[in-house]
Amino acid sequence: EAGVAQSPRYKIIEKRQSVAFWCNPISGHATLYWYQQILGQGPKLLIQFQNNGVVDDSQLPKDRFSAERLKGVDSTLKIQPAKLEDSAVYLCASSLRLGQGDEKLFFGSGTQLSVL
Amino acid sequence: RKEVEQDPGPFNVPEGATVAFNCTYSNSASQSFFWYRQDCRKEPKLLMSVYSSGNEDGRFTAQLNRASQYISLLIRDSKLSDSATYLCVVIPRFGGSQGNLIFGKGTKLSVKP
Repeated sequence: EAGVAQSPRYKIIEKRQSVAFWCNPISGHATLYWYQQILGQGPKLLIQFQNNGVVDDSQLPKDRFSAERLKGVDSTLKIQPAKLEDSAVYLCASSLRLGQGDEKLFFGSGTQLSVL
Repeated sequence: RKEVEQDPGPFNVPEGATVAFNCTYSNSASQSFFWYRQDCRKEPKLLMSVYSSGNEDGRFTAQLNRASQYISLLIRDSKLSDSATYLCVVIPRFGGSQGNLIFGKGTKLSVKP
């Protein structure tokens, strides 16, 4: 079974530049998540989609971050403009369903972003 | 108080040792609990769910104490391959993060020969 695919694996940019990450969830998974994991910390939820609708984006810094999941499958996360504190691993995860309290998340390998 | 707090690490133990991690959560209405494992430079992977009655999977035992709002993970007869960061995860029932997984910072375990 194919897992969650993410690209690129690594990205190095200068501050104030823009960057985009791509995620393809496991086939048939309705729920998709973007997490930010800063070194030494646990993953922090940025945004959660159910199909192509946003369920929770309360922790997404909307002045610079945006995400979309057109057609309810692939998703992109964009940062524009990037700041030094955005350096982190951006993890995409998917799960089969939402809100049942027992969903298992499958994570992609993540994109490691370094902002210089 | 942070939503999910874990024991500060790292834990350095010899092979064969028994080690326990604790985790506390702030939302008393939280509904689901998990332990995830994250290897260095890898993505988190589900280790086990935590049930009110406690549950065991081989050398791993997870327990939940709702009254005290804490979760524990016990690893018996630890192996070198158990070296990883263990993340405590909670799904709150109410509030802005309803239904979302809230991760602790993780506790790093190093098992030495």
